[in-house]
Amino acid sequence: AQTVTQSQPEMSVQEAETVTLSCTYDTSENNYYLFWYKQPPSRQMILVIRQEAYKQQNATENRFSVNFQKAAKSFSLKISDSQLGDTAMYFCAFILNTGNQFYFGTGTSLTVIP
Amino acid sequence: EAGVAQSPRYKIIEKRQSVAFWCNPISGHATLYWYQQILGQGPKLLIQFQNNGVVDDSQLPKDRFSAERLKGVDSTLKIQPAKLEDSAVYLCASSLQGLSGYTFGSGTRLTVV
Repeated sequence: AQTVTQSQPEMSVQEAETVTLSCTYDTSENNYYLFWYKQPPSRQMILVIRQEAYKQQNATENRFSVNFQKAAKSFSLKISDSQLGDTAMYFCAFILNTGNQFYFGTGTSLTVIP
Repeated sequence: EAGVAQSPRYKIIEKRQSVAFWCNPISGHATLYWYQQILGQGPKLLIQFQNNGVVDDSQLPKDRFSAERLKGVDSTLKIQPAKLEDSAVYLCASSLQGLSGYTFGSGTRLTVV
C-alpha cells in the first residue's frame, strides 16, 4: 500500500523566518516522484516543488527546498524567508513511475504571521 | 494558457438528491482525472480517463457515482443519490501525458445536508 504521513496538522512562522514541514511516505516501489503542493483558500492545488526519487541531489525552487532521504522515506520541505502569501495548506504527495494517481498526505496548515 | 475549468464552484443539496459537476481540461490534454478531497484529508483519485476511455475507476463508488467524457474533452461527474459523507471538494485535473503538464482545477465544494 502507498501511504503518506504528515505529522504536523498546523504550523506557524514569523514573516521572513524559515520553516520546515515534515513528510514521510511508504511504498515498496523504487521508482517514483515526490511533490509538495500548496492549496490556498482558492482550493487550486499549486505545484511547489518536485523531486525524482532516482536523484540524490535535493531539489530547490527559489525559497523552497527539500531534504530527501530515500532510505528513511522522508521528504521535508523548507521554506526560507517566509512571506504572507505562503499561508496555505501544504500537501506532500508521490506518484509511481508506473502509476497514474497521486497519493497525498493529510496536509499541514501553514500560517505566516506578520 | 487557460487552466482546468470547473463548475459550479459551490453546491449545496439535500441527501438523496442528485448533483453533477463539470470539468473542462486544458486544451490538448488527453488524460483527465477526478479526485475527491474530504475535509481534513488529501485528495483521492476517483476516476481517470484517457481520451474518452476509462483507465482506472477502481476507487469510484459505482453504486452512486458515475462519470463520462463522451467526446474526449470535457467531463461530467454525477452523484445519485447523494449521502452526507459525499460532502467534499471534487477536484478535476488533466495532463498531456503522464505527469507532463499535470494541472489541477479549483474544484467544486459540495455540501450535502
